[in-house]
Amino acid sequence: KAGVTQTPRYLIKTRGQQVTLSCSPISGHRSVSWYQQTPGQGLQFLFEYFSETQRNKGNFPGRFSGRQFSNSRSEMNVSTLELGDSALYLCASSDTGTGDYTEAFFGQGTRLTVV
Amino acid sequence: DQQVKQNSPSLSVQEGRISILNCDYTNSMFDYFLWYKKYPAEGPTFLISISSIKDKNEDGRFTVFLNKSAKHLSLHIVPSQPGDSAVYFCAASAKGRRALTFGSGTRLQVQP
Repeated sequence: KAGVTQTPRYLIKTRGQQVTLSCSPISGHRSVSWYQQTPGQGLQFLFEYFSETQRNKGNFPGRFSGRQFSNSRSEMNVSTLELGDSALYLCASSDTGTGDYTEAFFGQGTRLTVV
Repeated sequence: DQQVKQNSPSLSVQEGRISILNCDYTNSMFDYFLWYKKYPAEGPTFLISISSIKDKNEDGRFTVFLNKSAKHLSLHIVPSQPGDSAVYFCAASAKGRRALTFGSGTRLQVQP
């Protein structure tokens, strides 16, 4: 079955603009998480959605937001972009509902460059 | 505050030998641990995981060991192959919190 799909793969934006990234999880997976990877901070958790509700949130400013649709597809939005937002943004899906954690499967990521 | 630490930024081994990648954690709430392999500009690929109720899990050439008292886990790759060359990340999750905390990664180079 198809893996996690993220679009677009690459994006260049100007400081102050906003951006929306998209993620389609593996078919049947209802949990979608977002991560930011930068050389300085490594891989950091942004937030997790399950059944259209945000269940967990990392330590990022309110400029970072997300949502999940009824078909489990998710979007994340970054407003008022800063140079430091340049990063690889990764989406991960899992079939975790309630109960024990299961492994998350990652997409190829969206490389965002803020100039 | 790094809750998951991979203290070796890089490791080089000969093809056919064993690769041992180490990971330490500080948060006692972590109860599920995972290893991911990552190539540049790609997403991490899941390798193997272990629950805190176990101390060992094997999958083919990959074995993960968990020492809860020492808050330490390790990934053994035997035998190592050149295709294993990548960055390996250790990750941990706390029960009820569906978020992974990643280590900083170890770059493994397997020499032919």
